[in-house]
Amino acid sequence: AQSVTQLDSQVPVFEEAPVELRCNYSSSVSVYLFWYVQYPNQGLQLLLKYLSGSTLVKGINGFEAEFNKSQTSFHLRKPSVHISDTAEYFCAVSLNTNAGKSTFGDGTTLTVKP
Amino acid sequence: DAMVIQNPRYQVTQFGKPVTLSCSQTLNHNVMYWYQQKSSQAPKLLFHYYDKDFNNEADTPDNFQSRRPNTSFCFLDIRSPGLGDAAMYLCATSRQSGLVGETQYFGPGTRLLVL
Repeated sequence: AQSVTQLDSQVPVFEEAPVELRCNYSSSVSVYLFWYVQYPNQGLQLLLKYLSGSTLVKGINGFEAEFNKSQTSFHLRKPSVHISDTAEYFCAVSLNTNAGKSTFGDGTTLTVKP
Repeated sequence: DAMVIQNPRYQVTQFGKPVTLSCSQTLNHNVMYWYQQKSSQAPKLLFHYYDKDFNNEADTPDNFQSRRPNTSFCFLDIRSPGLGDAAMYLCATSRQSGLVGETQYFGPGTRLLVL
């Protein structure tokens, strides 16, 4: 079975600073990886996903993530955050044999301070 | 131009009183999912429909049922809500279940409070 670990439950950062949200996964088969953002009292919105090809994936709102197979990681980065990026971020993994179903990490709360 | 709609956004029910949450979609997607998300936790998949085929997760309690009368609508029925069932319930859709890595589109969620 696959699992997802988000290493930081809370990440406080000042506006315009860079940020990295860490995600590690474990699986015995190939996986597909996702990052979602959840604003307060809203559903999840896809930021980006890695299926194959280039290991550097660019998403919406200026976010990007890099798939590192040897380190089984898929860390999310943004070079300069805004107050509006304050939200909960979830990393998720989907097996290539388990179409449509994802396992989510416990989430990381990003708080951007002025 | 809402795509996945959940009603109501907030629901209060009494301990043991059946409650139904609804989800509708304008995307004409084949697959619809129900997730339970407790405070500060990851969303947990309860079940999903691929068209009319129902797929229950092994650890979903029998207290949770679902109906999908047509492509657009899907309902979550909680037969006897307990205090532990208070959570955000998220509905999601995807175009097909047969393709790996499919993007899921989430509704805004219904927050259920059990008194």
